[in-house]
Amino acid sequence: ILNVEQSPQSLHVQEGDSTNFTCSFPSSNFYALHWYRWETAKSPEALFVMTLNGDEKKKGRISATLNTKEGYSYLYIKGSQPEDSATYLCAFYRIGGGADGLTFGKGTHLIIQP
Amino acid sequence: DVKVTQSSRYLVKRTGEKVFLECVQDMDHENMFWYRQDPGLGLRLIYFSYDVKMKEKGDIPEGYSVSREKKERFSLILESASTNQTSMYLCASRGPTGNTIYFGEGSWLTVV
Repeated sequence: ILNVEQSPQSLHVQEGDSTNFTCSFPSSNFYALHWYRWETAKSPEALFVMTLNGDEKKKGRISATLNTKEGYSYLYIKGSQPEDSATYLCAFYRIGGGADGLTFGKGTHLIIQP
Repeated sequence: DVKVTQSSRYLVKRTGEKVFLECVQDMDHENMFWYRQDPGLGLRLIYFSYDVKMKEKGDIPEGYSVSREKKERFSLILESASTNQTSMYLCASRGPTGNTIYFGEGSWLTVV
């Protein structure tokens, strides 16, 4: 079982503040890195699919960067809003993994305080 | 709008009962997955299927089996439910490797 680590495990942020958290993964056999947002009582939904070293993706106030050589990705949220409260999951795809080439991190649970 | 549907959202079953959790996707995806989510443990893969009638064990297959008779449907079976199988079960589907995964809303199972 591959080691995909997310930190911190949970995070309380004041509304309006910006924040970021990390996903660490093996730097070898990299294929893709995904970020998902999982709101309570809903399905996890894809935020970003990242495949190239140096990739930067942005969706509104949320952005992500990728460093495949050192094995990490950052997710940034600018000007946090209450609707950003969710668990953020990263998922690492490895080369040659086939249908099961995927390992999830345990998630970062983000709570935005009004 | 793409959809993965888990028919049972909340179930309470007795120890020893046989339990079926059904999942249907409407995206013509080859790959389908069953995970369980437990506090502090993250998403753990139980079984996956890459084609009709094909299945592979994931990280925690013990106590579970699966069935994929049609491309759109992937069922998780607990042959004899036990209390340690109380959990939230999440179904997912995906197209080719590396593509976005689409999840159902989860099935909360309590075994008493």
